[in-house]
Amino acid sequence: QQQVKQSPQSLIVQKGGISIINCAYENTAFDYFPWYQQFPGKGPALLIAIRPDVSEKKEGRFTISFNKSAKQFSLHIMDSQPGDSATYFCAAFKKGGSQGNLIFGKGTKLSVKP
Amino acid sequence: KAGVTQTPRYLIKTRGQQVTLSCSPISGHRSVSWYQQTPGQGLQFLFEYFSETQRNKGNFPGRFSGRQFSNSRSEMNVSTLELGDSALYLCASSPGTLGEKLFFGSGTQLSVL
Repeated sequence: QQQVKQSPQSLIVQKGGISIINCAYENTAFDYFPWYQQFPGKGPALLIAIRPDVSEKKEGRFTISFNKSAKQFSLHIMDSQPGDSATYFCAAFKKGGSQGNLIFGKGTKLSVKP
Repeated sequence: KAGVTQTPRYLIKTRGQQVTLSCSPISGHRSVSWYQQTPGQGLQFLFEYFSETQRNKGNFPGRFSGRQFSNSRSEMNVSTLELGDSALYLCASSPGTLGEKLFFGSGTQLSVL
């Protein structure tokens, strides 16, 4: 059972364009939604995160939009740069329980063309 | 502060063997989690330790085990290796007690032949 569904699987964007990655979750007990960025040969690195009491969070060129009623959240990368080319993972965290901490989406491979 | 350190970086084993992977968390972090990353399944949670106790466990067979030492360093062990165990094994440490913010190491790339 895939608890966090991420799309698209891959994305090609021109330099200066907007990259948009979407995620949907099922479990309303999730209460923390981070995005991770992973470059080849490296582990994922926390990029930006949001809690469900906020509808939007912006950090530099990166923005998370959160729709609690639709159980969806998305990452927007403004003015995309070739250096943003990486794989992006959304995730959801549920306190307690035995399912594990952070549940990840399957990732989106972003390529930004110069 | 030094980041999460995983050793070895690469490992090649044959079916049936066992393997031990090591992880040193960021200084002061008491929570350590392990994830398996494969192209097909993405990042899958293995287990999490906090103060030497396994706090959560994912849906992996008993061949996968781990432990955490008093200095927060952690090891994971895979016994009777199978071809399907070939993957990048990532360790992450977390500040605080919830374990929600993960800081990942670069991983150990395990190849099972």
